[in-house]
Amino acid sequence: DAGITQSPRHKVTETGTPVTLRCHQTENHRYMYWYRQDPGHGLRLIHYSYGVKDTDKGEVSDGYSVSRSKTEDFLLTLESATSSQTSVYFCAISESQREGRYEQYFGPGTRLTVT
Amino acid sequence: GENVEQHPSTLSVQEGDSAVIKCTYSDSASNYFPWYKQELGKRPQLIIDIRSNVGEKKDQRIAVTLNKTAKHFSLHITETQPEDSAVYFCAASSGANFGNEKLTFGTGTRLTIIP
Repeated sequence: DAGITQSPRHKVTETGTPVTLRCHQTENHRYMYWYRQDPGHGLRLIHYSYGVKDTDKGEVSDGYSVSRSKTEDFLLTLESATSSQTSVYFCAISESQREGRYEQYFGPGTRLTVT
Repeated sequence: GENVEQHPSTLSVQEGDSAVIKCTYSDSASNYFPWYKQELGKRPQLIIDIRSNVGEKKDQRIAVTLNKTAKHFSLHITETQPEDSAVYFCAASSGANFGNEKLTFGTGTRLTIIP
């Protein structure tokens, strides 16, 4: 499982409340990602990080912010949750393989419901 | 940005037959094409990938082919078994092997193996 954990695994929250999801990795990977998965859309990149304090936007970043103050933790925050942010959120890391190539592995996911 | 289309959205095959899932991509700079398998309630798992310097790659019963001229790639599963039933996602990236593989995913194919 590439040493990736996510917390919480399930959360129900109300519209307008802030929510923070945590991704934790134990293997010192430089690159980390947040995706959301919705029926009919596959997985879509929200934000990614290429090092401590280095982050950038993905294709569906509106309404989300991220922070990475330590190599091992990548936090995703919904400042004011909306029903359209009900989804399954996956964290991922890039792991180096032979010949300098990388493969991406996913955490177990967090199911978020905004009521 | 990159756009990945995946077909079919659902596929049913008899156990022992072959299954083929096809994807097309739009960005000619894309050079990395992984395939993920996702069982119900689980995380996506990398099953095979191909890079633009090869046209085909095999791993036991699964194979992936890439046609860069036509910008399409396919997953082939031979001698299908019940445990192959899952949702399969293709993806594309132009990360250029530097570790930052920002993947664009297809919308998934639900494969059902009929005993």
